[in-house]
This record gives sequence, C-alpha cells and structure tokens, in this order.
Amino acid sequence: DAEITQSPRHKITETGRQVTLACHQTWNHNNMFWYRQDLGHGLRLIHYSYGVHDTNKGEVSDGYSVSRSNTEDLPLTLESAASSQTSVYFCASSERDMEPSPLHFGNGTRLTVT
Amino acid sequence: GESVGLHLPTPSVQEGDNSIINCAYSNSASDYFIWYKQESGKGPQFIIDIRSNMDKRQGQRVTVLLNKTVKHLSLQIAATQPGDSAVYFCAGSYGGATNKLIFGTGTLLAVQP
Repeated sequence: DAEITQSPRHKITETGRQVTLACHQTWNHNNMFWYRQDLGHGLRLIHYSYGVHDTNKGEVSDGYSVSRSNTEDLPLTLESAASSQTSVYFCASSERDMEPSPLHFGNGTRLTVT
Repeated sequence: GESVGLHLPTPSVQEGDNSIINCAYSNSASDYFIWYKQESGKGPQFIIDIRSNMDKRQGQRVTVLLNKTVKHLSLQIAATQPGDSAVYFCAGSYGGATNKLIFGTGTLLAVQP
C-alpha cells in the first residue's frame, strides 16, 4: 500500500543546531506539505511544494526551509533550532493538482529543542 | 483573519449512541471542507470531505452537513464505537484551486463503553 513515512519519530536537539526532518511518500503525489501542531493551535502550514523544484512559504515559514529534488521526498530543515520550534511536525501529500483534495498525513515527528 | 473552529461535541457519548461534532468557519468564500480524526501518537486521518455546492454527504457511519447560511458544518457519527474515541477537527479551504487548508483546533470525543 502507498504510504507517507516520516523520520525520525522523535528528536531532541540543542538550540542553534541544524536539524532535518525527513518525509517520504509512495503515493506519487505532486503536492507535499509540512505542518506543525501545537496545543491551542490548529495545524499550521510551514512550507509546501506542488512539484519537483517547486517550494512555497506557508503561514509560519520563518526559520524553516525545504527542498524538492524528486517526487517522493520533501525534507524540512531548521537552519538554527530555537525553543519556539519545539512541536510535532506532520508531513502530508495530496493527489489532485488543480482542485482541493484530501491530505494524507504521516505519523509525525516530535521535535524537542533544549 | 480566516478561522475555523470547533464547538464542544456531544458530552458523555455512550457506545452505540450517535455523536455530533460541530464546526464554524468565518470565510464565506470557503469552498471545500474536510473532517479529520486524530488518535494519540498518529497523524490526522481523513474521514470525509464536502464541497460548497453540496449540503450533505454520507460515508460509512458518518455524515457531514454543511450550512453555508450560518457558516457551520457538522460531523455525525452513527452508532459510536470505542474506536471512534479521538480528536476530531475540521479544515476549510479557500482560494479556489489552491490546496491550502485552514484547520480548526480540534476537540476530543470520548466514547464510554
């Protein structure tokens, strides 16, 4: 079955370190997204991509970057981790390019910045 | 700004009862809505979606109702089971063909056996 896999599931890092969270999907979807989930907030969009070499900023993109070198992967990089970036991060993908469609989510990465 | 939120669900849901979870949105231009279920330690799981040209859509044991006049949607779960215990949240899309969703904060549905 097609799926979307995130790694690692848990990560602890220190302030100022660079961290990369991996996301790999086998749906062959063009659209991929990164969200963060925090208590009291809904899922908030960090970055998204509509295809290879396409990246776009979301609502809370400061301090994060992504790259899309192939269809399957959209790694999320925290350039210099801050305590405010402690959160649960979800990657998602969706099928249809030109109209809204359900997002398929991974099981998340819990990141703690100390 | 845009907002999508949730009201409290039916409290103290007993196994076998029907559950209703409500959601309100602010942008009358929202044209697509989704309900997700999230269990502890897992990612959100798609339940059902509805477009703004519909007012009702049914799935397996679930029904979504959309009232555009009052900008409200609800998720009804028939014959609630313990496995339905989870956080539920709605999401709304605006902006036409773009695939960016605004998510509500979610609410816990606890099913008593």
